[in-house]
Amino acid sequence: GAVVSQHPSRVICKSGTSVKIECRSLDFQATTMFWYRQFPKQSLMLMATSNEGSKATYEQGVEKDKFLINHASLTLSTLTVTSAHPEDSSFYICSARGRGDPYNSPLHFGNGTRLTVT
Amino acid sequence: AQTVTQSQPEMSVQEAETVTLSCTYDTSESDYYLFWYKQPPSRQMILVIRQEAYKQQNATENRFSVNFQKAAKSFSLKISDSQLGDAAMYFCAYRPLNNRKLIWGLGTSLAVNP
Repeated sequence: GAVVSQHPSRVICKSGTSVKIECRSLDFQATTMFWYRQFPKQSLMLMATSNEGSKATYEQGVEKDKFLINHASLTLSTLTVTSAHPEDSSFYICSARGRGDPYNSPLHFGNGTRLTVT
Repeated sequence: AQTVTQSQPEMSVQEAETVTLSCTYDTSESDYYLFWYKQPPSRQMILVIRQEAYKQQNATENRFSVNFQKAAKSFSLKISDSQLGDAAMYFCAYRPLNNRKLIWGLGTSLAVNP
């Protein structure tokens, strides 16, 4: 089955630094990548949608200059949290749709990244 | 606006028993997709079952089945012969036909008691 590898699984960084999270599609071409944020015991909040080679589309209320998303290839998308602050601490999950996937096909999820900003 | 409601924040079931998780949604569309995802403590999102709105037959995957009531906009998940490994957060999700974005419910935390 389609696998999305998300790294790192956990990261701790100091306030003011930037952190990059990578999602790689290992055996398929990810034409669309969705980036989610999840607070403890809460649902997934869609942050942005990116299509390969295009600028990401951000959801209302999500700062695009703070959460930089790059989807330059069909196998790699990155989310960079710039100038991280403690309130950015959260669980971030990527999910991908593959080229040619039928509309009823499920998304392929990464394992998530636990970000802690100290 | 399309919304998904899971009215049960927490549920519990005895091992080997049956439990039903509720999900309702609001949409003006006639064709769409519905999904149930499971998120165990590992946080990996796992697809449990999916349903196409144009199909009247309820989807079934082994011990998991749905009761899809299109007119009532209800999409409940039934777990039969519950196992300890079924303990997880369960999310109901809706997807319009021509849009790839999922709309998520807030989730139901299921505990399975031995």
